[in-house]
Amino acid sequence: GAGVSQSPSNKVTEKGKDVELRCDPISGHTALYWYRQSLGQGLEFLIYFQGNSAPDKSGLPSDRFSAERTGGSVSTLTIQRTQQEDSAVYLCASSLGTGADTQYFGPGTRLTVL
Amino acid sequence: RKEVEQDPGPFNVPEGATVAFNCTYSNSASQSFFWYRQDCRKEPKLLMSVYSSGNEDGRFTAQLNRASQYISLLIRDSKLSDSATYLCVGSGGSYIPTFGRGTSLIVHP
Repeated sequence: GAGVSQSPSNKVTEKGKDVELRCDPISGHTALYWYRQSLGQGLEFLIYFQGNSAPDKSGLPSDRFSAERTGGSVSTLTIQRTQQEDSAVYLCASSLGTGADTQYFGPGTRLTVL
Repeated sequence: RKEVEQDPGPFNVPEGATVAFNCTYSNSASQSFFWYRQDCRKEPKLLMSVYSSGNEDGRFTAQLNRASQYISLLIRDSKLSDSATYLCVGSGGSYIPTFGRGTSLIVHP
């Protein structure tokens, strides 16, 4: 079946612009996670959704970052007034239920802020 | 202290070698553990889950030691295609899986 998909695969933007990243999880997966990974670094947790609710937003690095999920499916991560330090690969993962379940990752969106 | 810690390596081994990675976790309430593999510029993919009784999948063996709070991954008869970064994941006692920073493995001819 279809896996997790993300769009765009690559995004180049200018400093100060807003960007929207999209994640389509596996159908039926109630949990959805956003991470970011800088070159050569580990995964940095950003936010977690259970259904449409985000019980844990503690990983969002600043108030320029926000995310929503609608219909228990698609999620968008929005970064306002992008900065060069926002450049990274943004990965989305979904799982059937809680954190104890296997996560399936999308291919990521590579964001470059010039 | 990070909840999940790994030696970043790189571990540089010849084909056919046996190599082992350890990963320590600080939250004794952690219940679920996994090893993921991440190839260069790709997303992480599940390699195997780690059960209390240990589990084996072909050349790969994972063990959990709750007393010492570590999990291990053993790779026997290393192949060139095993070259990747191996990420250790613990449930962290919450619904947020906690990833280690990964251990880099390079298998050379």
